Amino acid sequence: GAVVSQHPSWVICKSGTSVKIECRSLDFQATTMFWYRQFPKQSLMLMATSNEGSKATYEQGVEKDKFLINHASLTLSTLTVTSAHPEDSSFYICSARDRATDTQYFGPGTRLTVL
Amino acid sequence: QKEVEQDPGPLSVPEGAIVSLNCTYSNSAFQYFMWYRQYSRKGPELLMYTYSSGNKEDGRFTAQVDKSSKYISLFIRDSQPSDSATYLCAMSAWGGATNKLIFGTGTLLAVQP
Repeated sequence: GAVVSQHPSWVICKSGTSVKIECRSLDFQATTMFWYRQFPKQSLMLMATSNEGSKATYEQGVEKDKFLINHASLTLSTLTVTSAHPEDSSFYICSARDRATDTQYFGPGTRLTVL
Repeated sequence: QKEVEQDPGPLSVPEGAIVSLNCTYSNSAFQYFMWYRQYSRKGPELLMYTYSSGNKEDGRFTAQVDKSSKYISLFIRDSQPSDSATYLCAMSAWGGATNKLIFGTGTLLAVQP
């Protein structure tokens, strides 16, 4: 089956630093990738939709200047949390659309802790 | 009112039991319905995908959709301890994986050996 990887799987950083999270589709091409965040015991909240080669579309209430998304190739999208603060601590999950099967596959998630 | 409502549980059953997981929704535009399984600290895994009212079966899993009542269910037969996870329903107004999914809050299931 289609595999989506995320790196790193967990990261701890100091307040004010920036953190980059990578999402890769390992065995398929993904023209569209999605970024979610999930708080403990809550559901996934869509942050933005990323299309290869174009600007991401952000959901209402998500700061585009704080959560920078780049989708430069058909297998890689990155989410950069700029000037991270403790309230940004969360579980970040990406998903990727396999255009051959038109199915969304999720990555394993990245746990971010900002001290 | 949330667009998708799901009983958060937790739900605890003995091994071998039949499990019923349910979601209701308010948006009549939803036409595509999915069930995901999420183990602790992992990303969701797609279990079932359906777009029509009625039942769809895959092994021990059966997805049921009732569009007239805006109600969907996932049944797990002969439940196993390995089924212990959080189950998320998700819905979309349009087909295709390019479209936004609306998730329920998830139901935590524990299958006791």
